[in-house]
Amino acid sequence: GQQVMQIPQYQHVQEGEDFTTYCNSSTTLSNIQWYKQRPGGHPVFLIQLVKSGEVKKQKRLTFQFGEAKKNSSLHITATQTTDVGTYFCAGQGGSEKLVFGKGMKLTVNP
Amino acid sequence: NAGVTQTPKFQVLKTGQSMTLQCAQDMNHEYMSWYRQDPGMGLRLIHYSVGAGITDQGEVPNGYNVSRSTTEDFPLRLLSAAPSQTSVYFCASSRTASNQPQHFGDGTRLSIL
Repeated sequence: GQQVMQIPQYQHVQEGEDFTTYCNSSTTLSNIQWYKQRPGGHPVFLIQLVKSGEVKKQKRLTFQFGEAKKNSSLHITATQTTDVGTYFCAGQGGSEKLVFGKGMKLTVNP
Repeated sequence: NAGVTQTPKFQVLKTGQSMTLQCAQDMNHEYMSWYRQDPGMGLRLIHYSVGAGITDQGEVPNGYNVSRSTTEDFPLRLLSAAPSQTSVYFCASSRTASNQPQHFGDGTRLSIL
């Protein structure tokens, strides 16, 4: 079945650093979504990418969908302590199932 | 606007007991789903529904039943609780099945002794 893999699973950065996390699917996706979950909270929708090669920005966050629609990336610029949490990507292939990756847990050293 | 409401927030069960986790949404969303979240495993889809009267299995359906008699409600039943079902359960909904952001409830933290 469809699998979504995220790398790395853990990321520790100094405040102010940039970093990128990646999401790879075993199948071609119709869309990919990104969510953020704060400790003790529930996942909150950040963005959806639908078109091949699409790039979207939200302030310091840049999201990209690969040309083959099988991978995606999230780049955070100038990381802040408010960015702490777990970031999930989730993809839909040919069915209604939305399959999540295992998440990337971000910690920030102030 | 309440969004997605899950009850209870916490529950402790003994092995072999049954229980129902409740999920209700007031946004008239067609699509609803249940996920379980375990450390290091991300969110795994248990069951989902594309509309009232229609349900289907996700990645990890064994040991769970669902029904969707109304648009608003999507309860998850544990038939005979096992320690492996100790987890945090999230219900989510979206306007339609495809290309829509998911709205999550606050979760139910379930422990099976």
